[in-house]
Amino acid sequence: EDKVVQSPLSLVVHEGDTVTLNCSYEVTNFRSLLWYKQEKKAPTFLFMLTSSGIEKKSGRLSSILDKKELFSILNITATQTGDSAIYLCAVEAGDKIIFGKGTRLHILP
Amino acid sequence: DAGITQSPRHKVTETGTPVTLRCHQTENHRYMYWYRQDPGHGLRLIHYSYGVKDTDKGEVSDGYSVSRSKTEDFLLTLESATSSQTSVYFCAISDHRGSQYFGPGTRLLVL
Repeated sequence: EDKVVQSPLSLVVHEGDTVTLNCSYEVTNFRSLLWYKQEKKAPTFLFMLTSSGIEKKSGRLSSILDKKELFSILNITATQTGDSAIYLCAVEAGDKIIFGKGTRLHILP
Repeated sequence: DAGITQSPRHKVTETGTPVTLRCHQTENHRYMYWYRQDPGHGLRLIHYSYGVKDTDKGEVSDGYSVSRSKTEDFLLTLESATSSQTSVYFCAISDHRGSQYFGPGTRLLVL
């Protein structure tokens, strides 16, 4: 059965800290891995990763995929209170998209 | 795992025909959402519901309507399907804490 597992499920850090969020997967016919940030209603797209070892970067956020070990990490450096959100990982596998349960990140001022 | 199912899982239809997608939950969560996922756009919110008979529009609501007559069911209707509505549709549910749990998706092809 295809599955996507995110860890930790929740995380509380202080402003300025660096955080690493994990997403591991077991799927057949992997196509891509997607990261989203969910604050209020609709999740906001962050990254799409298809190739191993190539870091994608956007400001303080970066992500990388390891297709051999079947995981991805999302790094946030110099965290700010506005980074508080739920971060979702999803994997496109064949004609399916499987979502993880998300990591709830809370940044303390 | 959150109990969310979507039906059908795959559908092929013709332009101009009405289509209804069903989302069913067994979690008794108050909030339900319909999204579409397209390459280059990520998830986009179509409609959402915050209770029985209480719904509101999302970012891309044109051409879609929804109904929620029971807590457990949230229906998405394409009044007259167009090729631009070819997409993967996701239903999600959430409780008061806000974490959204997604269904398996429905792949719709409009010819």
